[in-house]
Amino acid sequence: GAVVSQHPSRVICKSGTSVKIECRSLDFQATTMFWYRQFPKQSLMLMATSNEGSKATYEQGVEKDKFLINHASLTLSTLTVTSAHPEDSSFYICSASGDANEKLFFGSGTQLSVL
Amino acid sequence: AQTVTQSQPEMSVQEAETVTLSCTYDTSESNYYLFWYKQPPSRQMILVIRQEAYKQQNATENRFSVNFQKAAKSFSLKISDSQLGDTAMYFCAFMKHSTELTFGGGTRLMVKP
Repeated sequence: GAVVSQHPSRVICKSGTSVKIECRSLDFQATTMFWYRQFPKQSLMLMATSNEGSKATYEQGVEKDKFLINHASLTLSTLTVTSAHPEDSSFYICSASGDANEKLFFGSGTQLSVL
Repeated sequence: AQTVTQSQPEMSVQEAETVTLSCTYDTSESNYYLFWYKQPPSRQMILVIRQEAYKQQNATENRFSVNFQKAAKSFSLKISDSQLGDTAMYFCAFMKHSTELTFGGGTRLMVKP
């Protein structure tokens, strides 16, 4: 089956620094990638949708200048959390869609802890 | 906008028994997809079962089956012969054609030996 690789799986950073999370589709071309955030004991909330070669579409309440998304190729999307603060600590998950069968494949997630 | 509601925050079942998880949704769309995802402690999202709204037949995957009631906008998941490995968070999700998933709040399922 299709595989989506997400790195890093865990990152701890100091407040004010930036963190980049990568999401790669390993065996298919992902025309669309989605970024979700999950707080402890809560559901997944969509942050943004990225399409290859175009600007990401952000959900209401998500700061586009803080959460920079780049989808420069059909196999790679990156999420950069800029000037991270403790309230940005969360589990971030990407998913990718590439075919017409309406299936989404998820990365393994990234636990971000901002000290 | 679509909404997905899971009214059971937590459930438990004895090993080998059957349990049903509830999910309702609200949409004005006629064509869409419904999913159940499992999230174990590893937090990897695992697809359990998928249903196309235009199909009347309920989807089944081994011990997992759904009861899809389109008119009632209900999509429950039945797990038969529950196993300890079924312990996880279960999320019901809705998707329009080629768009993002909208998740319910989740149900924490505990399978007891």
